[in-house]
Amino acid sequence: GQQLNQSPQSMFIQEGEDVSMNCTSSSIFNTWLWYKQDPGEGPVLLIALYKAGELTSNGRLTAQFGITRKDSFLNISASIPSDVGIYFCAGQLPGTYKYIFGTGTRLKVLA
Amino acid sequence: GAGVSQSPSNKVTEKGKDVELRCDPISGHTALYWYRQRLGQGLEFLIYFQGNSAPDKSGLPSDRFSAERTGESVSTLTIQRTQQEDSAVYLCASSLAPGSSYEQYFGPGTRLTVT
Repeated sequence: GQQLNQSPQSMFIQEGEDVSMNCTSSSIFNTWLWYKQDPGEGPVLLIALYKAGELTSNGRLTAQFGITRKDSFLNISASIPSDVGIYFCAGQLPGTYKYIFGTGTRLKVLA
Repeated sequence: GAGVSQSPSNKVTEKGKDVELRCDPISGHTALYWYRQRLGQGLEFLIYFQGNSAPDKSGLPSDRFSAERTGESVSTLTIQRTQQEDSAVYLCASSLAPGSSYEQYFGPGTRLTVT
């Protein structure tokens, strides 16, 4: 099925470092959602973005809805070991209630 | 309040058998989604229900897959004559009515293994 391009696919970082990941597409989206998934669990919603250019924070997490509506990024500041997991973006297709999910970024934090 | 629940959490079945997966959405959520997640992959949309409207079945991979939802409550995803490629985690999500919120909340998933 359709999927968004999400990068990087995986990353190892040191505890305390900042992390950045993004999703891009050739299509526009009306809403962007960012999720974190731990092993054996369902994805947990982190941040929701509704307007082009919107910048939203949730604790150490910051996400932005790209001006072109074709991309979004997620930043995690001062990473900690519990940030380990897989992060997914999801974009809502205009005129539908259907979401397309990114391929995921697997984050590993080294203490 | 209670989140989205799914049952069973794990299901092992023999190739060719039928399976039924259940999803209980968050109370008051009128929208319900089913997704499939193969090992190490992203989420693949299967079907979407909104209230009493006709469901969006555009993601169902074959006619062996079907889903039902009674009103705004429980949904069941049925896979007939299971194949090994059906092995995956099946995730259900629910959200409030479109126009009020588009945020989807996921259940823990059902891990299906077809032997």
